Order: sequence, then C-alpha cells, then structure tokens
Amino acid sequence: SQTIHQWPATLVQPVGSPLSLECTVEGTSNPNLYWYRQAAGRGLQLLFYSVGIGQISSEVPQNLSASRPQDRQFILSSKKLLLSDSGFYLCAWSPLQGLFGYTFGSGTRLTVV
Amino acid sequence: AQSVTQLGSHVSVSEGALVLLRCNYSSSVPPYLFWYVQYPNQGLQLLLKYTTGATLVKGINGFEAEFKKSETSFHLTKPSAHMSDAAEYFCVVIRPRSNDYKLSFGAGTTVTVRA
Repeated sequence: SQTIHQWPATLVQPVGSPLSLECTVEGTSNPNLYWYRQAAGRGLQLLFYSVGIGQISSEVPQNLSASRPQDRQFILSSKKLLLSDSGFYLCAWSPLQGLFGYTFGSGTRLTVV
Repeated sequence: AQSVTQLGSHVSVSEGALVLLRCNYSSSVPPYLFWYVQYPNQGLQLLLKYTTGATLVKGINGFEAEFKKSETSFHLTKPSAHMSDAAEYFCVVIRPRSNDYKLSFGAGTTVTVRA
C-alpha cells in the first residue's frame, strides 16, 4: 500500500533562517506531488505541485521554493524565513490528475519567531 | 474554473443529533466531489468521494453525502453525532477530463459536538 511521510512534525525557526521540509511517498511511482499551506483562518493554499522529477509549478509567488530531486521525494525550502511563513504545511500525493483525491501527509507545524 | 462554497464556517451539534454540512459548487461540467476531515494538528483524511454512478455515497465513520446536480450541492450528513466527530471538514472539487491537476477546496467547516 502507499504511504506518505512528512517531517519534521513541528519546527520553530527564527526569522531569516533557512527552511527545508521533506516529503516522501512509498508504494507508488510517478505520483503527482503537492505542497499546501494552511494558515489560521485562511483555508488551504496550494503552494507548489509537481507532475515529475524536476517539474515544479508554483501557484503563489513568495520566498518559498520546491524541488523534486527523486520521483517520490518533494522538498519545500526557503533561504530566509519571514514571520508570515508560519503555518501548517501539508504534503500530498495523487495518482494521475488527482481525480481520485489526494492522500495527505501528517503535516508540519512551522512557527517563525 | 470551479469553485466551492461551504455554508457556515462553524457548526455546533449535540451528541446524538444530526450533522449536516452544506457544500455547493460551481463548475462548467459535472465535477468529482470529495469530503475531507482534519483533526487538530493532523493531515486531511478522505471521508468519501463522488465520481460517477450512484449519487448517494457512503464514507467512513458513518458519514454520507448526496450529489444533487440540479442543486449543484454535495451536502455531508451523519445521523447521530459522536464526540469524536469534532473536527474541520472540507468540501473539495476537481473537474475531470481537464489538464487541471488541482483540487479546489472549500474554506472548511469546524464542527463542535456538545455533550
């Protein structure tokens, strides 16, 4: 069966520090991968999605970036965090075009101080 | 493009009472529809989905939803609320047969259950 792993679960980082969140999927190949952010009272915001290795689409211009160095690995990064980057970050995967829904990771609670 | 509207950002029900969460969508073609549940500090879990076929779909934890094309609705119900149903619920839409890989999420409805 397919599983998705996301880490770390919680993270407290100072303003201006770098960020790296990692997500991996097991039990499937060539998944579509997604990064979402959930800020308090603002619902889910799609940040990036990827349909293959090295293929990244950005939905929201900001100081975050994403990379997909391997088929089942998706990394969210920042060179310098802002206070506004605080939130709950969720990785998700889907087969094909998400027609059967997404499977979400357990999330990372990021607090920028 | 499709959009999703969840009516009511907060719903409070008594334990044992009916849970009704409303969702309306707009889409140029019949969409695929989903309900997800999110418990505090956890990821989203799929409750149920409608793609084609029977318009009344049953999901996990006793929830069900009915696709009504004429009303462009996909309301979620559970006959008898349990304390463990306290969570946030999201109605989600995707338009099939498109190149759009992205789900459209409603704003979410937080359910609290009173003892």
